[in-house]
Amino acid sequence: NAGVMQNPRHLVRRRGQEARLRCSPMKGHSHVYWYRQLPEEGLKFMVYLQKENIIDESGMPKERFSAEFPKEGPSILRIQQVVRGDSAAYFCASSPGGRVQANTGELFFGEGSRLTVL
Amino acid sequence: GDSVTQMEGPVTLSEEAFLTINCTYTATGYPSLFWYVQYPGEGLQLLLKATKADDKGSNKGFEATYRKETTSFHLEKGSVQVSDSAVYFCALGYNTDKLIFGTGTRLQVFP
Repeated sequence: NAGVMQNPRHLVRRRGQEARLRCSPMKGHSHVYWYRQLPEEGLKFMVYLQKENIIDESGMPKERFSAEFPKEGPSILRIQQVVRGDSAAYFCASSPGGRVQANTGELFFGEGSRLTVL
Repeated sequence: GDSVTQMEGPVTLSEEAFLTINCTYTATGYPSLFWYVQYPGEGLQLLLKATKADDKGSNKGFEATYRKETTSFHLEKGSVQVSDSAVYFCALGYNTDKLIFGTGTRLQVFP
């Protein structure tokens, strides 16, 4: 899974500030997924993007959260006006192409970005 | 809805001990089941998978059998090593990209 790069690894924000988390997929991968792990919970799907397109954002909170994957550059998960409940580990994953078929389960994850909101 | 439940950690073992990490699931359909592992300082990586009932997934000495009758997918290894120390995640998924994960179980192996 080496190759999915997330930064920053750790981010501290005060309530009301903005948080930006970046994810560079593995070389040759054009599909990116964001998952969130709240304390004491499992990873939960947030959003699935291809280059310049949001394919599925059914797991994204309706307000304050947005994601993009531009033609050039990393995917960005943006959280506006952060609150303490946003404190979590945010994981990015990538796949080479097409929707990931569950019988392959070939998602390649980054190390995660841990957001702490004071 | 669908969900995955894992035993709480940490699981602490001596080297060469037998390992079992329990995982049970609830599902409305017939998902595939997975174990992912996260070693210190690395991202999650697929350890093994099983796509239908009675299938056994195996890799690196780890095994798990898809038990429909008990809705379980317990992870086992006969003799753990210090290098197996990591966090292990059980997950399920259908023909989509939305994997459903358990909370993770930390394994600590001491020499």
